Amino acid sequence: GDSVTQMEGPVTLSEEAFLTINCTYTATGYPSLFWYVQYPGEGLQLLLKATKADDKGSNKGFEATYRKETTSFHLEKGSVQVSDSAVYFCALSDWGSQGNLIFGKGTKLSVKP
Amino acid sequence: DVKVTQSSRYLVKRTGEKVFLECVQDMDHENMFWYRQDPGLGLRLIYFSYDVKMKEKGDIPEGYSVSREKKERFSLILESASTNQTSMYLCASSTTGAGAGNTQYFGPGTRLTVL
Repeated sequence: GDSVTQMEGPVTLSEEAFLTINCTYTATGYPSLFWYVQYPGEGLQLLLKATKADDKGSNKGFEATYRKETTSFHLEKGSVQVSDSAVYFCALSDWGSQGNLIFGKGTKLSVKP
Repeated sequence: DVKVTQSSRYLVKRTGEKVFLECVQDMDHENMFWYRQDPGLGLRLIYFSYDVKMKEKGDIPEGYSVSREKKERFSLILESASTNQTSMYLCASSTTGAGAGNTQYFGPGTRLTVL
C-alpha cells in the first residue's frame, strides 16, 4: 500500500541555519504531496503542497519539489527562525482515495537563538 | 477562513465510560475525518465520512464509532473507553471533487486521558 517515510527527529538547528527534512513516498497511483506543520498546542495546518511531478510548493520561505523519479518531496528552508520550531509532517493523497491522507511519522524541529 | 472546531481541548475520563468527541466545520465541506496522534506513530485515520450519514473505516476503527447526522458535524464515539485510547484526537474536513489535491483543514485537537 501507499506509505510515507520521513527523517526521524528531533532536529535541532541554530537560527539562520539551512533546513532539510527528507521525505520519500511509495504510491500505486499518482499522488498529491503535502507538508503540514503543527505548532505547539495546535492542530495541523497546511504548509505547502504539490499535485504533479516537478511542481514546487512554497510558503513562508519553505519549499519542496515533487520529484517523481526519486519519489521524494524534501522540505527546505534557507534560514530558519525560532518561530519555525514545530513538528513537520509529510503526507500524500492518492487518486481514488477520496482525499484520504497518509502521513509520515513527523519530524520535530527545534530552532535555538 | 476555514474553521474546524472541536468540543474540548482536554478531556479526562474513566475506563468504561462512553465518550463523545464533537467536531464542527463551517465551510460546507463534504468530507470529514477523525485521526489519532501518538508519539512515534504520527497520525492514523480512525474513520472518515464523505457525506451525511455515510461513514468509512480507516486504519484503526476498533473501539470507535462515528456519527454524521448533519453535514457540518462529525462525532467520534468511544463506546467503552480504555486506557490505550489515551491520545490526541484530531478532526479534519475537506471539500471533494478534485480528488487527491484537496487540502484537509484540521481542528485544534482534543487531548483525551483515560484513567
